[in-house]
Amino acid sequence: SAVISQKPSRDICQRGTSLTIQCQVDSQVTMMFWYRQQPGQSLTLIATANQGSEATYESGFVIDKFPISRPNLTFSTLTVSNMSPEDSSIYLCSAKPDRGTGELFFGEGSRLTVL
Amino acid sequence: AQSVTQLDSHVSVSEGTPVLLRCNYSSSYSPSLFWYVQHPNKGLQLLLKYTSAATLVKGINGFEAEFKKSETSFHLTKPSAHMSDAAEYFCVVSGPGTASKLTFGTGTRLQVTL
Repeated sequence: SAVISQKPSRDICQRGTSLTIQCQVDSQVTMMFWYRQQPGQSLTLIATANQGSEATYESGFVIDKFPISRPNLTFSTLTVSNMSPEDSSIYLCSAKPDRGTGELFFGEGSRLTVL
Repeated sequence: AQSVTQLDSHVSVSEGTPVLLRCNYSSSYSPSLFWYVQHPNKGLQLLLKYTSAATLVKGINGFEAEFKKSETSFHLTKPSAHMSDAAEYFCVVSGPGTASKLTFGTGTRLQVTL
């Protein structure tokens, strides 16, 4: 398993600003993922962040809007840039243990409200 | 391609009665299947997983699910609901190999009443 810590847990942001979310894993993992969960909805994959390579973005998400860093095997950041009210969501970090059976472990999420 | 359909967006049961949350999947490969639970203002917690071993899978908190290939289903059950089971439940499908992406269902909100 993996224990994942995310911060901030919640924030209220002004339109046009940017916010960086940090994600720390208690063990070394190759594969980390960032998800968005809009109010009352399921999870949508934003990007895959593998250590040692550029993040891979899903359709509808671009690096300029959601830059991701993955400096080592236990840490990643997601920045939400130039925020608008439509970016108000829960952003979830997850990790897939290298020796697991394909399941993901999740942080508790970062709840962003953009005014 | 893979997809998962949760047949009920909302299920309400009385405390002490059985729980059934329904999930159908579609996959071109032999899938891995998972159920996750999300309590209010919390992240997702893995309840159980099917990865081509036993078709009846037991998870945490008394939940279990049965993989039925002929019906392409992976329904989640619990014999007796507890108030603390009230949460959002997600059925998730993954393709073969640990590098496969996970596809989430739309979720089922379980309400437990006294």
